[in-house]
Amino acid sequence: DSGVTQTPKHLITATGQRVTLRCSPRSGDLSVYWYQQSLDQGLQFLIQYYNGEERAKGNILERFSAQQFPDLHSELNLSSLELGDSALYFCASSVQGHSYEQYFGPGTRLTVT
Amino acid sequence: QKEVEQDPGPLSVPEGAIVSLNCTYSNSAFQYFMWYRQYSRKGPELLMYTYSSGNKEDGRFTAQVDKSSKYISLFIRDSQPSDSATYLCAMSAGGYNKLIFGAGTRLAVHP
Repeated sequence: DSGVTQTPKHLITATGQRVTLRCSPRSGDLSVYWYQQSLDQGLQFLIQYYNGEERAKGNILERFSAQQFPDLHSELNLSSLELGDSALYFCASSVQGHSYEQYFGPGTRLTVT
Repeated sequence: QKEVEQDPGPLSVPEGAIVSLNCTYSNSAFQYFMWYRQYSRKGPELLMYTYSSGNKEDGRFTAQVDKSSKYISLFIRDSQPSDSATYLCAMSAGGYNKLIFGAGTRLAVHP
């Protein structure tokens, strides 16, 4: 158990819908990262937050957005969902300045039908 | 060309074998090199990380980094069926720079 929690574990929804994925980092970690993992694309970095502020952006679609709240939990919002958004979504956290030492949560499996 | 290349396998070995997993990279700015283990449908688990060149050992696992060749390796000694998983290499230039992951190598250790 990494100490990073993610909810829900599974999510099934229809095309065009909007969902919110939630992540709580390890105690003491200020940075939160979101990743998407699909069979054909591997593990892709989406976005990073540090202490409430966006720090880095990867290949995140405009339909996706995220935020980190004062209690340091983070939410990833996915809207206008398409079939191709079906994937595992992971959250990871790290201590300040140690972005190379990331600890991953169990993931949320999103299925868009 | 991808920044990080990793043979996806699968790699099948008998129990007790020494396993060698490798990645190559093209970005000379990478300073931190990580190995993650991922069991099916689970989150990646950080096994170890190395800064710059050299070796690092942790139990049955040894990580090697050769920056001159842009080549990193993970060796698993006395492999066990419980080591069966996908192994992902990852690299970073440090600080707030993002991790770049390899595609992962699927390993199967059979009794």
